[in-house]
Amino acid sequence: QSALTQPPSVSGTPGQTVTISCSGSTSDIGRRTVHWYQQLPGTAPKLLIHTDDQRPSGVPDRFSASKSGTSATLAITGLHSDDEAHYYCALWDDRLNGVFGGGTKLTVL
Amino acid sequence: EVLLEQSAGEMKKPGDFLKISCQGSGYNFATDWIGWVRQMPGKGLEWLGVIYPGDSDARYSPTFQGQVTLSVDKSISTAYLYWRGLQPSDTAIYYCARLRYDIVTGYYVYYLDYWGQGTLVTVSS
Repeated sequence: QSALTQPPSVSGTPGQTVTISCSGSTSDIGRRTVHWYQQLPGTAPKLLIHTDDQRPSGVPDRFSASKSGTSATLAITGLHSDDEAHYYCALWDDRLNGVFGGGTKLTVL
Repeated sequence: EVLLEQSAGEMKKPGDFLKISCQGSGYNFATDWIGWVRQMPGKGLEWLGVIYPGDSDARYSPTFQGQVTLSVDKSISTAYLYWRGLQPSDTAIYYCARLRYDIVTGYYVYYLDYWGQGTLVTVSS
């Protein structure tokens, strides 16, 4: 599978809403569910959203995601300074082969 | 509480053998796949492969096939990633994570839910 395409960086000010896109094709995003991970500086990735739009317990509802066709989008509302991190989209196929997006660095100005 | 505890960082020379570990606790280790992810310095996440502790079935990303080997000892709830001959290009943080599956509208959906803290491998002469 080819890597999923994300913008290298996005930015916003506290309280704003930012979105991060994840673009693929009919053979990946078009057929599979998308998951999102947050990686704070110097830490391991953390599951943020699974199965296109499902938040694990403990993840604030400021984080949401959606999917349409061959693209997925992560939205963060009410931006906080501690949201500054890298965000990755990912998916796995039936053979358990996985692919990650290139990652997006979110800067809170 | 699900925990994945990884072994400490390693400094090795080119050509060295290395095995790093990932010990799971707080769940039935034998019945969930364990995945491995590489993160090279300043770079993004790369899928390396996955292993099923119940029967040691291992599947590799084409990028890593033949470059590394996955193994597991379910009696001690531990998965391993090893190299027979390290290269400087293997310098990276390696994460293990549980690959969970759900059944959604009749289809299996897989994703990594719990992650280890990462093991930094540095290869330099």
